Parts: sequence; C-alpha cells; structure tokens
Amino acid sequence: EAGVTQFPSHSVIEKGQTVTLRCDPISGHDNLYWYRRVMGKEIKFLLHFVKESKQDESGMPNNRFLAERTGGTYSTLKVQPAELEDSGVYFCASSQWRERYNEQFFGPGTRLTVL
Amino acid sequence: KQEVTQIPAALSVPEGENLVLNCSFTDSAIYNLQWFRQDPGKGLTSLLLIQSSQREQTSGRLNASLDKSSGRSTLYIAASQPGDSATYLCAVRSSWGKLQFGAGTQVVVTP
Repeated sequence: EAGVTQFPSHSVIEKGQTVTLRCDPISGHDNLYWYRRVMGKEIKFLLHFVKESKQDESGMPNNRFLAERTGGTYSTLKVQPAELEDSGVYFCASSQWRERYNEQFFGPGTRLTVL
Repeated sequence: KQEVTQIPAALSVPEGENLVLNCSFTDSAIYNLQWFRQDPGKGLTSLLLIQSSQREQTSGRLNASLDKSSGRSTLYIAASQPGDSATYLCAVRSSWGKLQFGAGTQVVVTP
C-alpha cells in the first residue's frame, strides 16, 4: 500500500511568487491534514479536511494560504504571494474515518524556501 | 491550552544502552498520544499510538507508557543501535483533528 505522497519535495521561489504544494493521501483515508515546521520551531497544525470539507482551518496563518481538496482525494496548498516567513517544511498526513482514534500517517514533506 | 514538552532536547548514548525519552503535556484531556521518528531530511514515521484508555503499548524493542493523570509519556528503546539515531517526536491529540507536537529529542547512538 502506497503511503502519503507529496510534491514537490523541494521548492525555491522568490518573495511575491506563488507556489502550490500537492498531497496525495493513503487511498481510502477520509481525513487529510496539513502541518508545517518553520525553522527552529515545533511542527504546527494548519488545517484538517474530512473528505472535501474543511473541518478545522484554525491553524492557517493568514489569507495568503488557500487549501483545497478536490473530490475528497488529493489536496493542494497554495501560498500567494509567498513571504520570507513562509519558508519551512510542509507536511501532509492522513488517517482513516474513525479519526480521533486512528494514527496519522505523514508524507515526506515539501521543503519550501522563499528568497 | 495544551503544551507539549520533550526533555532532553538531545541525548547521546553508546550502542547497547537503553534509551528513555520523555514527553509531558499540560492538559490530561487527550484522545491519544503518538510517538514518531524523523530522520534528517525525511518525513515522520509513526512508531506507536497509545489511546487515552491504555497504559502502555509495545512494538519490538519499543515500549511507550502513558500516565494521563500526570501528563506524561515515556518511550523506551531497548538495546539501542546506531540505526536508532534520529529525532523522536511525541504528539498529543486533545481535540478532533490536530496533533500538537513537542520539539523533539535528537538521539545519537554511538558504535
């Protein structure tokens, strides 16, 4: 069974540009999460999808971040326009339907560098 | 507000010694706690998940305990090997969805 996959693995962009990160969860996982780690800090929650619906987006830092989950399958996280402080590693995770009792499985992350 | 702390931040042990990693959390109202391993430049690998009703969970050389009332979990790794060198993270789930992570303990096992 394939794990959580993320694309790209690395992205280097200029301040003010737009970047879109993609996450493909484990097949059959209704729950999808985005997290990020900025330099020197803990991994922080961004948002949680249940199928195609946003369940909790309390961790999204501002309106420059837009997450979508088309048809309840893969998800994208767009940053527009990117700022220097957006640099970090963005992780995606997924879990099965009995959400609160199940493990979250993480992808390898996308390392974003904003210059 | 839930806060998760891991002490020590770094740990170095000779091969063969047992590893003891600590995680504490401030709010005991949790659903579960998950331990992860992260290798440099890689994603997070789930090691163990302990439900709030459990006291411990075991997988091979790994054993994790949970004392919810005192807000503590301990990860034991028996007979450490150089391949156990990594950063170990604990994360608690105290609401639907989000995991809250500690800063991690960086472990080095020397041959």
